[in-house]
Amino acid sequence: SQKIEQNSEALNIQEGKTATLTCNYTNYSPAYLQWYRQDPGRGPVFLLLIRENEKEKRKERLKVTFDTTLKQSLFHITASQPADSATYLCALDIIWSNDYKLSFGAGTTVTVRA
Amino acid sequence: DVKVTQSSRYLVKRTGEKVFLECVQDMDHENMFWYRQDPGLGLRLIYFSYDVKMKEKGDIPEGYSVSREKKERFSLILESASTNQTSMYLCASNLGQATNYGYTFGSGTRLTVV
Repeated sequence: SQKIEQNSEALNIQEGKTATLTCNYTNYSPAYLQWYRQDPGRGPVFLLLIRENEKEKRKERLKVTFDTTLKQSLFHITASQPADSATYLCALDIIWSNDYKLSFGAGTTVTVRA
Repeated sequence: DVKVTQSSRYLVKRTGEKVFLECVQDMDHENMFWYRQDPGLGLRLIYFSYDVKMKEKGDIPEGYSVSREKKERFSLILESASTNQTSMYLCASNLGQATNYGYTFGSGTRLTVV
């Protein structure tokens, strides 16, 4: 069956350091991979999308890589700040009928210490 | 600003009640989705719809139904609420194909069934 795994439930880092989150998947051939941020009690907020033919994508202090051979995506937050503390979700677009549906990993909670 | 609005933030219902969760989007999106989110399990897709009056079962449709009479509104129905349906329910929409804008989520409805 299809499976999406994020490397750990929690990640604690010092302000200014780079946080690296891992998303691994099996039995998928996603066309797209997305990353979301979720704050407690709120819905996820879209951050970045990377396509299967793209190796890397950046947005401000965020960087995402996508390796379809390893079936893995890495999500980096550089120069982290306490405001980056949140849960980060990996999601894959799965082709369904004529369109796509998103399947999510369980998330990694990042805490940035001042 | 584009928006997905869920009618209630918190709901408490009794076992056996019929429960309606409403979701409205103002972005003219074709696709709409209902997820539930539980600790350690991440987001799981219940139902989705890619057009008015169309619906598709997601990964966990048992005990739920949906209605989409208008493009902007997607309702989730718990036919006979049970305690194992206590969860955070999240509605989302997107344009109908993966874009650089991802999915837009509502703020969620935290449902407690007693």
